[in-house]
Amino acid sequence: NAGVTQTPKFRILKIGQSMTLQCTQDMNHNYMYWYRQDPGMGLKLIYYSVGAGITDKGEVPNGYNVSRSTTEDFPLRLELAAPSQTSVYFCASSFLNTEAFFGQGTRLTVV
Amino acid sequence: AQSVTQLDSQVPVFEEAPVELRCNYSSSVSVYLFWYVQYPNQGLQLLLKYLSGSTLVKGINGFEAEFNKSQTSFHLRKPSVHISDTAEYFCAVKPNSGGSNYKLTFGKGTLLTVNP
Repeated sequence: NAGVTQTPKFRILKIGQSMTLQCTQDMNHNYMYWYRQDPGMGLKLIYYSVGAGITDKGEVPNGYNVSRSTTEDFPLRLELAAPSQTSVYFCASSFLNTEAFFGQGTRLTVV
Repeated sequence: AQSVTQLDSQVPVFEEAPVELRCNYSSSVSVYLFWYVQYPNQGLQLLLKYLSGSTLVKGINGFEAEFNKSQTSFHLRKPSVHISDTAEYFCAVKPNSGGSNYKLTFGKGTLLTVNP
């Protein structure tokens, strides 16, 4: 099993560009999450999903969008990249009463 | 809503010394509790979890944690640390009932530095 796979690992964007961070899991988990990690700030929840077709906002959703058309995939879309979106992004998945499994992260720089 | 407070942002210790990383939480419902470790430039790995039962939980790499419901704490301990334990440690909570039972909330992390 691959677990949670995120692509790309690194990306540099120019201000105003858009991109999609990909996340896929092969554990048949119903819950999936997107977090961003900034130094000294821990992990902030951007969006989450409790199953295919169901998504909701977390603490810091502005500037992002998600979709969940299948159980396996949970892409995160940045429409108009801003320097404030420079961060490390983590995707995770879980069942209700188990721990979350994390991907290796995507390091995004917006210049 | 729930919140997690990790009381120390940095903890420096010498090799083979004991360590305690403190975590307090706030929640209006019962919670599951987790400790994760993050090594440099890597994702988060689970160290241990409390779901129910015994309040003393043992995890990987010799770590353990004790759930104290009255003090709403879940402190992480190791009796003797190694250089390889240098990493950032995150405490997290997730409600085990109610309408928000999908939200996994993290503390800001504690950087453990083990010095020779």
